[in-house]
Amino acid sequence: AQKITQTQPGMFVQEKEAVTLDCTYDTSDPSYGLFWYKQPSSGEMIFLIYQGSYDQQNATEGRYSLNFQKARKSANLVISASQLGDSAMYFCAMREPTRMDSSYKLIFGSGTRLLVRP
Amino acid sequence: DGGITQSPKYLFRKEGQNVTLSCEQNLNHDAMYWYRQDPGQGLRLIYYSQIVNDFQKGDIAEGYSVSREKKESFPLTVTSAQKNPTAFYLCASTLGQGFSDTQYFGPGTRLTVL
Repeated sequence: AQKITQTQPGMFVQEKEAVTLDCTYDTSDPSYGLFWYKQPSSGEMIFLIYQGSYDQQNATEGRYSLNFQKARKSANLVISASQLGDSAMYFCAMREPTRMDSSYKLIFGSGTRLLVRP
Repeated sequence: DGGITQSPKYLFRKEGQNVTLSCEQNLNHDAMYWYRQDPGQGLRLIYYSQIVNDFQKGDIAEGYSVSREKKESFPLTVTSAQKNPTAFYLCASTLGQGFSDTQYFGPGTRLTVL
């Protein structure tokens, strides 16, 4: 079963508008972390924002905010005032226990390709 | 500047050859990871290491091997047993092992089998 689901393979947004990228997750553990990464065409994974399972408030980092709805198990990324440089792949990921030792591992969704139109 | 370096950026391998991908970090992070990314897909975990001289298999370890002799270094060897090694390989590290620890990534190595 998919642990992280990103249902939007591709999206368009007009420059300066806001866009929401969807992410739902599946876990039975009470302790987990949710992350969003940006991957431009160069390939490097750039960390954007983090939300912990016990956090009461939605995380924000500059133009990025995370709409965390724990009961619905969703962690959507909102990008405000889109810029041309925001065009990239965006991955949602969850950090959960490995079940083998005391460590955690990061599980990724399949990503959403965002294209910002001028 | 602290960060993660990977080399080479591009690597070409003939079938039947082993190749080693380098990953070095100067962030003083304890844990290091190797991921594989195929076109249009997310990342899959190959191996990870929490401390020096210890490492664990991830979800797709077959055909790969690693070592962790130094805290800063976590090289990945793609062996001839890996049936379809052409992919983008990313190395990452975290300071600790909690669920809130952010993973930071290197720039990646693109491996092509000729």
